[in-house]
Amino acid sequence: GQQLNQSPQSMFIQEGEDVSMNCTSSSIFNTWLWYKQDPGEGPVLLIALYKAGELTSNGRLTAQFGITRKDSFLNISASIPSDVGIYFCAGYNNNDMRFGAGTRLTVKP
Amino acid sequence: DSGVTQTPKHLITATGQRVTLRCSPRSGDLSVYWYQQSLDQGLQFLIQYYNGEERAKGNILERFSAQQFPDLHSELNLSSLELGDSALYFCASSVGSLPYEQYFGPGTRLTVT
Repeated sequence: GQQLNQSPQSMFIQEGEDVSMNCTSSSIFNTWLWYKQDPGEGPVLLIALYKAGELTSNGRLTAQFGITRKDSFLNISASIPSDVGIYFCAGYNNNDMRFGAGTRLTVKP
Repeated sequence: DSGVTQTPKHLITATGQRVTLRCSPRSGDLSVYWYQQSLDQGLQFLIQYYNGEERAKGNILERFSAQQFPDLHSELNLSSLELGDSALYFCASSVGSLPYEQYFGPGTRLTVT
C-alpha cells in the first residue's frame, strides 16, 4: 500500500540546533504517531496524536496533528548527540497503519 | 527493553525454504502485530492478532501466515522464501486492539541466500 511522504530523508545538524520534519498523505488519518529507531533496535513511540489540530510535547519534542488530518510534523529543540537515529511517522485509520520512510538524523557535537 | 521478545535474532536460510519467527508480547498485552522492514520498502504492516484472532491485515503475502496461541505468543511463518524476503521482521504488542501505544521487539533479521 501507499506509504506516507516523510521529509527530509536525512538531516545533518550541529548540537544545540532545532530540527523539524514532516509527514504528508493523500489520505486522512485519525491518529498520527512518531517513532524513533536506534540501530539494531525496534522503533520506540515518542508522541501520539489523536485529534486534528492537536499539539503535543514530550520534553524537547513537539508534534502536531495537521488540521486537514493529512499531515503531521515533529520538532526537536536544542538537539543533543543522543537524538541521533531514524525518526518515523505513522498514520492509523480503520485498521490500516502506514509508515513514512524515515528521517535519518545525525547530530554533530 | 520493551518487554517484547523475539527469536531468533538472526536467521540465514536459502531460497525456497520455510522459517518460523516467534514473538512473545509484553505481559498483559493482548494484541500482537507483525511488521517487515526492508531498505527499499521501509516499515510495512503485515498482520495483527488480538486475543488469538486475526484483527487486521496489511501487506502480507500469501506465502506468509501467522497465528496467535492461547498463551498469546505469536508465530510468523514465511514459506517459499525469495531473495526479496530478506528484511528485518518486527513484532509489536499493545494492551488493546488499537495500535496506538504499541511496543516493538528487537526484531529478527532474516537473510535469504
